[in-house]
Amino acid sequence: SAVISQKPSRDICQRGTSLTIQCQVDSQVTMMFWYRQQPGQSLTLIATANQGSEATYESGFVIDKFPISRPNLTFSTLTVSNMSPEDSSIYLCSVDPAGETQYFGPGTRLLVL
Amino acid sequence: AQSVTQLDSHVSVSEGTPVLLRCNYSSSYSPSLFWYVQHPNKGLQLLLKYTSAATLVKGINGFEAEFKKSETSFHLTKPSAHMSDAAEYFCVVSDQSDYKLSFGAGTTVTVRA
Repeated sequence: SAVISQKPSRDICQRGTSLTIQCQVDSQVTMMFWYRQQPGQSLTLIATANQGSEATYESGFVIDKFPISRPNLTFSTLTVSNMSPEDSSIYLCSVDPAGETQYFGPGTRLLVL
Repeated sequence: AQSVTQLDSHVSVSEGTPVLLRCNYSSSYSPSLFWYVQHPNKGLQLLLKYTSAATLVKGINGFEAEFKKSETSFHLTKPSAHMSDAAEYFCVVSDQSDYKLSFGAGTTVTVRA
């Protein structure tokens, strides 16, 4: 398993601004993922962020809106750019240490006004 | 392509009675299947997983699930519900080829005293 922390845990932001979410893991992992959970909805994969390569985005998500950094094997950031109220969601990171099970962080609860 | 259908959006049980959460999956490959639980304002916690070993899988907190290939089902059960089981439950499938997860819509469990 893995212990994952996210910062901030929650935030309230104004439309048009950007927020960077941090994800820290207690061990080195190659595979890291970012998800969005809109209010009352299930989880949707935003992108896969493997160290040493560019992030791979899912259909409907673009790098200009959700830039991701993966500087090392224990850390990643997701930026939500030029926010609108529709970006209000929970953003979660996950890791897959052994290529068989994903473990999730506690999430960042974002409200955009 | 892979997908998951959770047949019940909401399940309500009395404390001490059995819980059944139904899940059907579709996958082109030999799937890995998971159940995750999300308590209010918390991240996702892995309950159990199936990865082509025993078809009856035991998880944490008294939960278990049975993989039935002929029925493409992976239903989650618990013999006796506890108040702390009130949460959102997600059935998840992975085809193991790209490690991506596909989430069901979720089942909200409420437990009556």
